[in-house]
Amino acid sequence: ETGVTQSPTHLIKTRGQQVTLRCSSQSGHNTVSWYQQALGQGPQFIFQYYREEENGRGNFPPRFSGLQFPNYSSELNVNALELDDSALYLCASSLDPGLAGGNEQYFGPGTRLTVT
Amino acid sequence: GESVGLHLPTLSVQEGDNSIINCAYSNSASDYFIWYKQESGKGPQFIIDIRSNMDKRQGQRVTVLLNKTVKHLSLQIAATQPGDSAVYFCAEKGNTGFQKLVFGTGTRLLVSP
Repeated sequence: ETGVTQSPTHLIKTRGQQVTLRCSSQSGHNTVSWYQQALGQGPQFIFQYYREEENGRGNFPPRFSGLQFPNYSSELNVNALELDDSALYLCASSLDPGLAGGNEQYFGPGTRLTVT
Repeated sequence: GESVGLHLPTLSVQEGDNSIINCAYSNSASDYFIWYKQESGKGPQFIIDIRSNMDKRQGQRVTVLLNKTVKHLSLQIAATQPGDSAVYFCAEKGNTGFQKLVFGTGTRLLVSP
């Protein structure tokens, strides 16, 4: 186990609704990245948070937003849900990007979101 | 553009065989590569990584080979066991200033007893 936890495990939402997913990083890790994994695909990078600020973003629209808290836990918020948002949402934590080993990302179990 | 692809979507082997999973990448500026194992219903599990200044790195029963000339990465698993059955992803860290990993679509490894 990586020590990265996510909640909830599963979630069902209706198109147009909003959702908040949560992630607690591994002890000692101050960087959190979020990924979307569609069925049968590899994870796609959404964004990364480092010291409570967004540190990089993938090709996702602004309705995907996030937060990182002083304890380095993080939230992913998705507004105006669409059917194509149905996926496994993964968070990964890592060390400070400037440190040796900072590239290694350790993933949580994911939140399975279904949009109907 | 960035892309990481895998040659074979499914690899079937017998228990005890050695397995080789291949991966091609397109970003020649990538400086770091990782292999992950993902079992059904779980998040990706870190297996082994390699920096672009290395050609080979060994772990416990696993070896990663990097050929920068042809932009090819491989994962070798020695004495494959039924517990190795999973989907394997290679991922690269591109040349951005943050730790964005670009994943391929994965290779499913099936190990028969």
